[in-house]
Amino acid sequence: KQEVTQIPAALSVPEGENLVLNCSFTDSAIYNLQWFRQDPGKGLTSLLLIQSSQREQTSGRLNASLDKSSGRSTLYIAASQPGDSATYLCAVNSAGSYQLTFGKGTKLSVIP
Amino acid sequence: DAGVTQSPTHLIKTRGQQVTLRCSPKSGHDTVSWYQQALGQGPQFIFQYYEEEERQRGNFPDRFSGHQFPNYSSELNVNALLLGDSALYLCASRPWGGTEAFFGQGTRLTVV
Repeated sequence: KQEVTQIPAALSVPEGENLVLNCSFTDSAIYNLQWFRQDPGKGLTSLLLIQSSQREQTSGRLNASLDKSSGRSTLYIAASQPGDSATYLCAVNSAGSYQLTFGKGTKLSVIP
Repeated sequence: DAGVTQSPTHLIKTRGQQVTLRCSPKSGHDTVSWYQQALGQGPQFIFQYYEEEERQRGNFPDRFSGHQFPNYSSELNVNALLLGDSALYLCASRPWGGTEAFFGQGTRLTVV
């Protein structure tokens, strides 16, 4: 059974800092890994999708890496802004399954 | 492109009642999945529909059922509501065989 863990559960940083969010998963047989952003009480916004054959993906100030063999992914946010404050969720799509398995998320607060 | 749309946005029901939630997938998407997100937790997979059939089911009781229509829209039905069914219900869509999931804004269900 796939399990996804995100560390830390919460993170508070001053505006302008670079930061890293961590995601680990127990079964390396995955199709892909997806990072989402969730604002309070809202739905999920897809940020980055990394296929199992890829090592990283970039979108603007965001960079996500994947090390499938060790079961780890990181989301790097450069030059953080108050508007980045949200919960960030990591989800894996395991091989042979249609479902996404999510971590509990990291709640990020960027202080002006 | 309207993206994934869900209705209603909020709903309050009494314990023991039945509820129906609705989802319209993103244009061009024919596969719909439903997730339950309890407060402070990551989303949990309920089931996925493709070609009007349930293709995979998560660890949810039979009180949770669904349907997909020929236009690819979907409904989630929950019978005999329990207080523990209070959660944000999320719908996600993708093209069959596609890798990236897109989520709606969710329906907040409160059972009293």
